[in-house]
Amino acid sequence: GAVVSQHPSWVICKSGTSVKIECRSLDFQATTMFWYRQFPKQSLMLMATSNEGSKATYEQGVEKDKFLINHASLTLSTLTVTSAHPEDSSFYICSPSSGKLNEQFFGPGTRLTVL
Amino acid sequence: GNSVTQMEGPVTLSEEAFLTINCTYTATGYPSLFWYVQYPGEGLQLLLKATKADDKGSNKGFEATYRKETTSFHLEKGSVQVSDSAVYFCALSASQAGTALIFGKGTTLSVSS
Repeated sequence: GAVVSQHPSWVICKSGTSVKIECRSLDFQATTMFWYRQFPKQSLMLMATSNEGSKATYEQGVEKDKFLINHASLTLSTLTVTSAHPEDSSFYICSPSSGKLNEQFFGPGTRLTVL
Repeated sequence: GNSVTQMEGPVTLSEEAFLTINCTYTATGYPSLFWYVQYPGEGLQLLLKATKADDKGSNKGFEATYRKETTSFHLEKGSVQVSDSAVYFCALSASQAGTALIFGKGTTLSVSS
C-alpha cells in the first residue's frame, strides 16, 4: 500500500484557537483527498472531498468556513480547524486517492482535543 | 444511496473460537467491498477486499466472500487470537473512480485468553 503521513499525530489546544493538520502522500500522486472524522467508538464520517487545485466539496452538515481544506499539490493537503471548540474534539483521518478505482489509502490519523 | 450495515458489537470471544462479523450493503452498480481493521490507538489498515461477485478476499486467516445475491460480505476467521482484538469496519466503494469509501459503524472484537 501507499505511504501516507499525517502531522501532528495528536494535538491539544485551547478553545478558540485554530489547528492545522497536514497530510502527505509520500509515494504516489493524490489527485483526490478525502477527509474523515471519527468520534469515539463511532465510524468514519466523510467530511469533504477535494481535488488537487480545486475547492473542496463538503458533506451536508460540515461547515466549510470552520474546516478549511487546502489541496494545493498532489502530495500535500491540509485541514485547518478554525476557532476550535470542545465539540470539535475528534480523530481526523485523511485519505488520499490516485483517482483510480479502488486506490484509496488512509493516513494514521490526528487526534484533536480541544479544552 | 449506498450504505453499509454491520452487526452491532461488541463481540467477545475466547482464544481459538470461530469468528463471524456480518456485513450487508446497499449499492447501485457493482461496488468493491473491503474490511478494515483499527487496532487500539492506531489508524485504519486494509485487511482484505473483493472487487466482484463471488470473489473471496483473505488475509491473516480472515476471509470474506462477496455475495451479490445476498448483498453480503461477512468476515470470518476460524481461530481468533488475543492479538485480533480490534475494531473491524466493513466498507464499500462505488463503481465510479474518485468516490469515497462508505463505512459501516464498526464492530469491536475482544478476544480473551
